[in-house]
Amino acid sequence: ELKVEQNPLFLSMQEGKNYTIYCNYSTTSDRLYWYRQDPGKSLESLFVLLSNGAVKQEGRLMASLDTKARLSTLHITAAVHDLSATYFCAVDMSVRNTPLVFGKGTRLSVIA
Amino acid sequence: DVKVTQSSRYLVKRTGEKVFLECVQDMDHENMFWYRQDPGLGLRLIYFSYDVKMKEKGDIPEGYSVSREKKERFSLILESASTNQTSMYLCATTGALSYEQYFGPGTRLTVT
Repeated sequence: ELKVEQNPLFLSMQEGKNYTIYCNYSTTSDRLYWYRQDPGKSLESLFVLLSNGAVKQEGRLMASLDTKARLSTLHITAAVHDLSATYFCAVDMSVRNTPLVFGKGTRLSVIA
Repeated sequence: DVKVTQSSRYLVKRTGEKVFLECVQDMDHENMFWYRQDPGLGLRLIYFSYDVKMKEKGDIPEGYSVSREKKERFSLILESASTNQTSMYLCATTGALSYEQYFGPGTRLTVT
């Protein structure tokens, strides 16, 4: 059974600081997704990582995938308040008709 | 852009009522999913469907059923609503070639 673990689950960070959210998964996969969810809203796709070594960046967020370590990271650079949200990673079993498996999410709060 | 719509953003129902939640997508996607989201529990998969009239149980199907009579529409049915089904319900879709999930806006259901 594929398990996906995120840590930390809660993160409070000061504006301007850097931090990393980790996503570990238990079985072989080379496709991983990051989503953002604002309070009371639905999930919005942030990054799609489709191979070992994939790196994607959007603004102050950068995601990477190491399939050998079964690890993805979401790095936040110089955090700003607008990044406050819950971030989910999800892993793809790469088996047709099999749903993604989601982590429990990391609630990020950026404070002044 | 993929568009996934859900029939209601907020819904209040009484215990014992039959409740229908509808999800419609406009991208001819094969796969559709229903999740519920509760604080601290992340996303939990209720049911999914990979084709018309096909359905598969997810992690927590008890108390729910689904219907997929047309490709673009996937309905979640609560046969007899109970207070422990108060939750945020999220619909998602994926195409055949990509497992990235696109989410609808969510329905916040309260059962009193």
